[in-house]
Amino acid sequence: DSGVTQTPKHLITATGQRVTLRCSPRSGDLSVYWYQQSLDQGLQFLIQYYNGEERAKGNILERFSAQQFPDLHSELNLSSLELGDSALYFCASSPRTGENTEAFFGQGTRLTVV
Amino acid sequence: GEDVEQSLFLSVREGDSSVINCTYTDSSSTYLYWYKQEPGAGLQLLTYIFSNMDMKQDQRLTVLLNKKDKHLSLRIADTQTGDSAIYFCAERYYGQNFVFGPGTRLSVLP
Repeated sequence: DSGVTQTPKHLITATGQRVTLRCSPRSGDLSVYWYQQSLDQGLQFLIQYYNGEERAKGNILERFSAQQFPDLHSELNLSSLELGDSALYFCASSPRTGENTEAFFGQGTRLTVV
Repeated sequence: GEDVEQSLFLSVREGDSSVINCTYTDSSSTYLYWYKQEPGAGLQLLTYIFSNMDMKQDQRLTVLLNKKDKHLSLRIADTQTGDSAIYFCAERYYGQNFVFGPGTRLSVLP
């Protein structure tokens, strides 16, 4: 158990809908990362938050957004869903941004868009 | 730009050593990582190496880093069926996001 909790584990929804994925980082970790894993694109970095503020942005679509709350949990919002958004979405956390060495991943949320 | 490459498949016999290779392009990477993903599971951190090191050993795992060639390898000694998984190499620069390779699917044959 990495200590990073993601909910829900599985999500099935229809095209055009909106979903929210939730991530609770390890206790004390300030930095949260979101990744998308799909068969054709591999593991793609979406976005990073540190202590409530956006720190880095990767290949995140405009239809997607995220935030990190004062209690440090993070949510990834996916809207106007398309079939191609079906993927495994991972959250990772690390103690801080900077000279930290480890990041721990949650079990992921498997999103299926039908 | 950053790019990490790995061969996609590797098959070994149980009890043999496995060597999974990775090349990366960002010479400013400070840490290089190996993660393991079992079917239906998340990413499990196996080990990491700081870029000023050449080698790191942790029980059955040995990581070798050739910084000049930007080549990283993971050796698993006495490979077991439980080692069957996808292994991801990743690079990272001082707490920035990880850049992952495509993953190497290791199959361990009895």
